[in-house]
Amino acid sequence: DIVMTQAPLSVSVTPGESASISCRSSKSLLHSNGITYVYWYLQKPGKSPQLLIYRMSNLASGVPDRFSGSGSETDFTLKISRVEAEDVGIYYCGQLLENPYTFGAGTKLELK
Amino acid sequence: QVQLKESGPGLVQPSQTLSLTCTVSGFSLTSYSVHWVRQHSGKSLEWMGRMWSDGDTSYNSAFTSRLSISRDTSKSQVFLKMNSLQTEDTGTYYCARNPMDAWGQGASVTVSS
Repeated sequence: DIVMTQAPLSVSVTPGESASISCRSSKSLLHSNGITYVYWYLQKPGKSPQLLIYRMSNLASGVPDRFSGSGSETDFTLKISRVEAEDVGIYYCGQLLENPYTFGAGTKLELK
Repeated sequence: QVQLKESGPGLVQPSQTLSLTCTVSGFSLTSYSVHWVRQHSGKSLEWMGRMWSDGDTSYNSAFTSRLSISRDTSKSQVFLKMNSLQTEDTGTYYCARNPMDAWGQGASVTVSS
């Protein structure tokens, strides 16, 4: 199975500041079609997860452009600029390249 | 508006079978895959399986032969059945449209006698 390793496991951010979350996969997530199958999700307290970023760097519909995704074949970053109170929750990276699809342990974002 | 909604019993006895239904609206099951994802309380997400748009299925081998996913396209429903439940199967079960860009509210399942 592809292991997704996130860091840090928790981050405390002052509103208005930026935050970065890293995710590393145990195998390249770059498909031969040129698409990198890494996704980022946010699970707000008491809610279902929601998609933020798909295919490494594409912003999902309705997601503020304060969120951005980047990376290589095995190392990925989610950046949140100008953190707001509504960004609090647990962020997960996930790979949808091969069965079984797997997720990172999650990074909890809190406000200072 | 894309929506998914899980339904099923909240309490299942050990060794029994869990049956959940995911009812979708706003999209067609013949155009989109639907995933089942489990989450233990306070833990990360665990992918269970997928109903493809063509009716094929894929499963996480961690569930070996316990898991079955099917669908009724006329009712826009996807079904999950998992047998031989144990207490460690307690958790919240989600259905999500591929690529998990829309999720249901989750079905909380407790396995207990």
